Amino acid sequence: EDKVVQSPLSLVVHEGDTVTLNCSYEVTNFRSLLWYKQEKKAPTFLFMLTSSGIEKKSGRLSSILDKKELFSILNITATQTGDSAVYLCAVYANSGYALNFGKGTSLLVTP
Amino acid sequence: NAGVMQNPRHLVRRRGQEARLRCSPMKGHSHVYWYRQLPEEGLKFMVYLQKENIIDESGMPKERFSAEFPKEGPSILRIQQVVRGDSAAYFCASSPRGGQGIDEQYFGPGTRLTVT
Repeated sequence: EDKVVQSPLSLVVHEGDTVTLNCSYEVTNFRSLLWYKQEKKAPTFLFMLTSSGIEKKSGRLSSILDKKELFSILNITATQTGDSAVYLCAVYANSGYALNFGKGTSLLVTP
Repeated sequence: NAGVMQNPRHLVRRRGQEARLRCSPMKGHSHVYWYRQLPEEGLKFMVYLQKENIIDESGMPKERFSAEFPKEGPSILRIQQVVRGDSAAYFCASSPRGGQGIDEQYFGPGTRLTVT
């Protein structure tokens, strides 16, 4: 059975801190890995990673994939209270159209 | 360009009633996916549709649940004879392509179904 595991499940940091969120996976026929940010509404797409070692970056957020060790990390530098959300990791496997999601990491950034 | 639209945002049904959830994909997208999010659980894939076709319904419960995406109009997820265990948030996503494993899926705001 395909598995996507995120850690930690929850995290509380102070504004300005740097955080690293983890996502490991065990799936059949890996295609790509996606990160989403979910506030009290629609999950918002952040990154898609298909190749190992190539960092994707958008502002203070960055992510990288390691296909050998089967994990990805999402880094957020200089955190702000607006970064408070649940961050979801999802993997395409097998057929290539169903996303397998982890349970998410709940991040709270305090002022 | 409007995003993925879902309605209603909140739906309350009594046990035994029917629930109909609607999803309009982003403009130009012809691939629709439905996911369910139970409390304390991650999003779980239910069904993948293209216009007038169900491509994969491997995540759908075998009974009471059905989905369609007609040539005209929104995609509909229908739950007959709802039970308390159906209470969840139902999310719809759309993509411009499908089946390649490299599509960005864009999500709607979800419909929160409560069964009393």
